[in-house]
Amino acid sequence: GESVGLHLPTLSVQEGDNSIINCAYSNSASDYFIWYKQESGKGPQFIIDIRSNMDKRQGQRVTVLLNKTVKHLSLQIAATQPGDSAVYFCAENSSGGKLIFGQGTELSVKP
Amino acid sequence: GAVVSQHPSRVICKSGTSVKIECRSLDFQATTMFWYRQFPKQSLMLMATSNEGSKATYEQGVEKDKFLINHASLTLSTLTVTSAHPEDSSFYICSASQQGDYGYTFGSGTRLTVV
Repeated sequence: GESVGLHLPTLSVQEGDNSIINCAYSNSASDYFIWYKQESGKGPQFIIDIRSNMDKRQGQRVTVLLNKTVKHLSLQIAATQPGDSAVYFCAENSSGGKLIFGQGTELSVKP
Repeated sequence: GAVVSQHPSRVICKSGTSVKIECRSLDFQATTMFWYRQFPKQSLMLMATSNEGSKATYEQGVEKDKFLINHASLTLSTLTVTSAHPEDSSFYICSASQQGDYGYTFGSGTRLTVV
């Protein structure tokens, strides 16, 4: 399979602080990117997406930045809450419409 | 919104037996289904892609004779783990998309434990 992560990196933040989660993607031809949130024992939950013709997109409390030059994505979560604690994955729409997941980051929010 | 139902959510089976996992799109036509496997503390690994009515395309390193995928209708895809072994124990997740749509809808996953 493609893009298997080994042992998720972790990010610990204080409640109310902003969180920034980073991701490097692999295929320069990918044209669509998605951030997912996954809670333990559940499937991925859509957070926000961005197409390759954009470099920034904002949602409610979340912002995604895309830097195609260095193949880098970031997810910014404003005023992080305990309910945001989960594993966050970036995913890229690769060749043939396949969605390939990045390594993932475990976010832990301290109350 | 689009909903994908995955069943069962948990299954325990004995070594050597086969297990079938179902993935249904409830309110849209899933022209393409994707099957992923996820080990603890790791990312989702794409196993195969299936288009309705066609044979599935497997990713490198995934045994097609062990992981049988059927996508006979626009609303149902199944993954059968044949002759399961303890190393097949994992979290299996399906995802569905419609033709011409960039969206992907995920199932809730199936926790398979082979004893």
